[in-house]
Amino acid sequence: RKEVEQDPGPFNVPEGATVAFNCTYSNSASQSFFWYRQDCRKEPKLLMSVYSSGNEDGRFTAQLNRASQYISLLIRDSKLSDSATYLCVHLGYNKLIFGAGTRLAVHP
Amino acid sequence: NAGVTQTPKFRVLKTGQSMTLLCAQDMNHEYMYWYRQDPGMGLRLIHYSVGEGTTAKGEVPDGYNVSRLKKQNFLLGLESAAPSQTSVYFCASSYEREDSDTQYFGPGTRLTVL
Repeated sequence: RKEVEQDPGPFNVPEGATVAFNCTYSNSASQSFFWYRQDCRKEPKLLMSVYSSGNEDGRFTAQLNRASQYISLLIRDSKLSDSATYLCVHLGYNKLIFGAGTRLAVHP
Repeated sequence: NAGVTQTPKFRVLKTGQSMTLLCAQDMNHEYMYWYRQDPGMGLRLIHYSVGEGTTAKGEVPDGYNVSRLKKQNFLLGLESAAPSQTSVYFCASSYEREDSDTQYFGPGTRLTVL
């Protein structure tokens, strides 16, 4: 089983839609979680950290469910510029473990 | 600040050739990392460095060597390239430990080994 699993997508949604991605992880001892965004043929960039209490940054909300070992990312009021691949990342055994990413395509 | 830069951006090698990828950061970061990204897989850590003069193996170190002679530079070497090393290589850096600080990535190097 992969340490981090994500639905590769693509998720095709219209502008203004709400979309949610889940990511499961296998290491129950993981303490730190992140969502990175990667545009096509570009480098990953940190989108947000994921805290136990959940956190929100504008249209983006990240949540952690330790009991079920998954983290989620919710995007409200999708914009065309949100089209990208979203990487789920957690800290496992002193190194970051990256998921393969979920691709989001927002269309007019 | 240029952030994290990588050279070259693209390279095509023949099997058995050698090359060095250069990563430079101007943020005075202690930690530097080399990853590879392959289709359908997450980024995988090749080697990393926790400071000038130190290096350590990551998840997929075989076939690669690294050096950190200066704090701002982290070099990744391929002594004898193989087709399995065709990939996109990303360098990253962070000020503190990777679990407590953001990693900043370079733009990537696309390497093809024929």
